[in-house]
Amino acid sequence: GQNIDQPTEMTATEGAIVQINCTYQTSGFNGLFWYQQHAGEAPTFLSYNVLDGLEEKGRFSSFLSRSKGYSYLLLKELQMKDSASYLCAVWDSNYQLIWGAGTKLIIKP
Amino acid sequence: IAGITQAPTSQILAAGRRMTLRCTQDMRHNAMYWYRQDLGLGLRLIHYSNTAGTTGKGEVPDGYSVSRANTDDFPLTLASAVPSQTSVYFCASSDDSGNSYNEQFFGPGTRLTVL
Repeated sequence: GQNIDQPTEMTATEGAIVQINCTYQTSGFNGLFWYQQHAGEAPTFLSYNVLDGLEEKGRFSSFLSRSKGYSYLLLKELQMKDSASYLCAVWDSNYQLIWGAGTKLIIKP
Repeated sequence: IAGITQAPTSQILAAGRRMTLRCTQDMRHNAMYWYRQDLGLGLRLIHYSNTAGTTGKGEVPDGYSVSRANTDDFPLTLASAVPSQTSVYFCASSDDSGNSYNEQFFGPGTRLTVL
């Protein structure tokens, strides 16, 4: 079967750095997405990785290792508004998105 | 309209009733999707449409039907609602026309409770 694993919940301090991990086992791989979802709102796109390595976008970076079936999202200089769920999703061989359950990130002052 | 809209925002429905969730996008995206989101589970694909006039089944299609008569609209129908269909439903769209990746844009969601 297809499986994507993320921690259920993480806590971090305002101004700090946090890394959210995602491991996947899917039938084929055509890319990995990270989305942010604030409580009661729709998911919004953060990043896409298809090649190994790090993609940086401001305070957010996303890393991919295809051989390990592993990705992480790195958030720097955390702000209170970063409190949200972070969803990892993999594009499988049929170009359908397989979603993880999401990691709820709690930021404390 | 800007982006994707869904209606209603929320609904309480008696079991056995028929219900249609509406979804409209104005971005001229060719692909559209319906997901349900339940606590502790990832988004699960119900149905999708790669282009107007075609639809396909996702991971959890039973009890749901869709149609795609034009590019903009993609309604989801529950023929006879059951309590297990209580969930938050998200509609999404993407442009598959030659981009390197097709980021999905989501509507605000419909919170459905079936009693």
